[in-house]
Formats: sequence, C-alpha cells, structure tokens
Amino acid sequence: QSVLTQPPSASGTPGQRVTISCSGSSSNIGTHNVNWYQQLPGTAPKLLIYSNNQRPSGVPDRFSGSKSGTSASLAISGLQSEDEADYYCAAWDDSLKGVFGGGTKLTVL
Amino acid sequence: EVQLVESGGGLVQPGGSLRLSCAASGFTVSSFEMNWVRQAPGKGLEWVSYISTTGRTIYYADSVKGRFSISRDNAKNSLYLQMNSLRAEDTAVYYCARSLSGNEDAFDIWGQGTMVTVSS
Repeated sequence: QSVLTQPPSASGTPGQRVTISCSGSSSNIGTHNVNWYQQLPGTAPKLLIYSNNQRPSGVPDRFSGSKSGTSASLAISGLQSEDEADYYCAAWDDSLKGVFGGGTKLTVL
Repeated sequence: EVQLVESGGGLVQPGGSLRLSCAASGFTVSSFEMNWVRQAPGKGLEWVSYISTTGRTIYYADSVKGRFSISRDNAKNSLYLQMNSLRAEDTAVYYCARSLSGNEDAFDIWGQGTMVTVSS
C-alpha cells in the first residue's frame, strides 16, 4: 500500500490530453513539493516534473504538473506513442522519508 | 556525461549482507545530496535512504531502518549502501539517484540499477 494514491492505469489516443492524479495527505503533498517520474519499460526512472510544476531541461512542454491541497496532477497533452510508460508521483513526508505513489501505467491506444 | 553506475548486486541468502556501490562521473558527488531507491520485480518505486552532502544528515525508510546503512566517500566520488540482515522482501533493483540542486526531494540523475535477490 503506497502512501500516495494513483490510479493503476490510464489510457488515451494519440493527440489526446490525459491526466493522472496523485492523492496524499497534509504530511506530504499538503506540505511539500510534488515530483513526477516517467519510467519507460526496462529503464530507470526519469524526472519529468519537480516542485509541482517545473520541467527539467529537455522535457517537452506537453507535460505539465499542478498541485492543490493534498492532491496533485500530471497532464500530458498531444499524447504520443512514446509516452506509453509508468508514471510515479513522489513527495517528501514530515516523517522524514520520501514517499512514492504506486504508479500509473499509461497506455496509448 | 553526467552518470551514475551501481554495482555490487547479486544473489544472497536470507540473513546475509551485501554492499552496493554507486560511482558518479561527470559531476562531483560531494556537491549533491544522494539517495537510494528500489523497485521490487513488477512493483512500484520505494525510496530507501537519503544522505546529505556532508554525510551528517541521514534518513531511512522504516522498512530498512536498523539494517541498512548509507554512506558516501567524496574522495572516491561514490555512494554506498551496506545491507545487513537481508530478507526476501528486500529483493529489488536498487537505484542510486542524485538530488536536484536546491530541491533535495527531486531526483534528477539515476543509475541503471543493480539487482539484489535474497533467496535460499
């Protein structure tokens, strides 16, 4: 059971906009920044969004993040086949540990 | 090229020990906070441990506290994870990950991972 809650799966067709939710509590998302990671099959995770809505250099602006209260969302617009991957939200927790969501498997139909 | 390369994984019996290493290149590890994150087969990511630039601040996940020990050797530009009293549930790919400068809770550089299998 992950501390942060994500839907196990999501899907969309090419060109569509997809959102993935991440729910936490006052001790993690409610107090700390949310980060998002993309993990392509068989590879290490890649930082996609940090500090709720910041994109590292090289991440397309099709990816965006937002946070409100104890929840956060990742939005992917103009969905492409290469976006098919697992997506994880993460945050720091007041109990002095990092916490991840269980991951969302995105399928591009 | 900025890179992290883990080593030291393998097959170990329950109750045994293993020491993972993470060699950094392309950047000076002493300037960054570092972490270990693991992923059990077919499962999600689990944060394991954090160490500050000086090594004086260290945090562990509850699941490994008292059994695992994180350390760093800035002279060797490397990070380590000493794992003792290993259990079957510690079986996972272990990644070392660099904290993003100014945002220690975001991990911007990851190694390729090293597999640890705990089984008799």
